[in-house]
Amino acid sequence: GQNIDQPTEMTATEGAIVQINCTYQTSGFNGLFWYQQHAGEAPTFLSYNVLDGLEEKGRFSSFLSRSKGYSYLLLKELQMKDSASYLCAVRADLGNTDKLIFGTGTRLQVFP
Amino acid sequence: DAGVTQSPTHLIKTRGQHVTLRCSPISGHKSVSWYQQVLGQGPQFIFQYYEKEERGRGNFPDRFSARQFPNYSSELNVNALLLGDSALYLCASRFGQGEGYGYTFGSGTRLTVV
Repeated sequence: GQNIDQPTEMTATEGAIVQINCTYQTSGFNGLFWYQQHAGEAPTFLSYNVLDGLEEKGRFSSFLSRSKGYSYLLLKELQMKDSASYLCAVRADLGNTDKLIFGTGTRLQVFP
Repeated sequence: DAGVTQSPTHLIKTRGQHVTLRCSPISGHKSVSWYQQVLGQGPQFIFQYYEKEERGRGNFPDRFSARQFPNYSSELNVNALLLGDSALYLCASRFGQGEGYGYTFGSGTRLTVV
């Protein structure tokens, strides 16, 4: 089956660092995405990992271990505007189909 | 350059009615996918179209159908609406199929069934 797990909610303080974990069990794995989604809005792309290791992009970093079925998103120097849901999504290539399988999302609240 | 555009942005329908949602991908993008996002959940895959052919279908009833037009825009149709169909419907476009192409989402259509 296809399963992606991530924490439902997290809280953190402005200026701090937070790590959002994601574990997955999927077939046809072909990359992992992290998206940010503010309430009622479209998901916006944050990062993509297809090989093991760390990808860094400004305040955001993402890590992937394919052997462990594990990824995390690291957010540094948190700002109030980082309060949002963070979606972990696996790209699954299954035959002719090219689709994203999403976790339920982690709602992050940043407090002053 | 325009992003992925979806219309309408919001609509309210009554149980049993039919609805058509529209999506225009980024210019040059040939793949369009539809996702349903119920409040508090992650998006769920409904359909994928590439070069006007259906390439995949998620675990949704036959009341859901879609198509892609020669200009790569797409429609999602839902018949016999149920209360449980209330959700944010997202369209994602990609340039091609396979690795190396990112997904860009539209702002979605918020459907409320009463």
